[in-house]
Amino acid sequence: DADVTQTPRNRITKTGKRIMLECSQTKGHDRMYWYRQDPGLGLQLIYYSFDVKDINKGEISDGYSVSRQAQAKFSLSLESAIPNQTALYFCATSDPTRGDTQYFGPGTRLTVL
Amino acid sequence: AQTVTQSQPEMSVQEAETVTLSCTYDTSESDYYLFWYKQPPSRQMILVIRQEAYKQQNATENRFSVNFQKAAKSFSLKISDSQLGDAAMYFCAYRSGSGGSNYKLTFGKGTLLTVNP
Repeated sequence: DADVTQTPRNRITKTGKRIMLECSQTKGHDRMYWYRQDPGLGLQLIYYSFDVKDINKGEISDGYSVSRQAQAKFSLSLESAIPNQTALYFCATSDPTRGDTQYFGPGTRLTVL
Repeated sequence: AQTVTQSQPEMSVQEAETVTLSCTYDTSESDYYLFWYKQPPSRQMILVIRQEAYKQQNATENRFSVNFQKAAKSFSLKISDSQLGDAAMYFCAYRSGSGGSNYKLTFGKGTLLTVNP
């Protein structure tokens, strides 16, 4: 089984809708991240969490919110989706005791019409 | 702010040959980590190799190796005996070693590698 899973894998929604992307991990890592990838670009950080009580904004947090329900779960919400949030979204985890290398989930492709 | 530059948007290689992907970065820090990630058509981001800046020895993982030139701020990836499964987008990434708010990965824009049979 995959160490980092994301649901859904693909989602099409309409402008103005609220949507939640979920991430679960079995790696036992405290640190979790949400990134966004747009065509022709690398990944940009949306939010990160170093533990359940520590959540921080990344480079492009406007229009997004997150919830860290447990060590293993980190959800990303779009309160009112807009078309320019159409992108590929990645969750990642890391362990600071092992060089903090980040391991990524399979990604969620989100389309906002 | 750190920046990562991949100057080759696309590269191609014949199967079984060797190819080198380039990456340069800009930083004022002395402690940091560098990574190569692979993104095949399945879109999964897969760690290929990692280099700690304090280590002089170049990292190697099977057919993948790096040429880390700290003074030149260069971090190239060499793929030996290229296989069809190596075809993917390759991203170079930088992470500060100072922790705190510098935890995030800074990515280059990627190099699309095609492997020809």
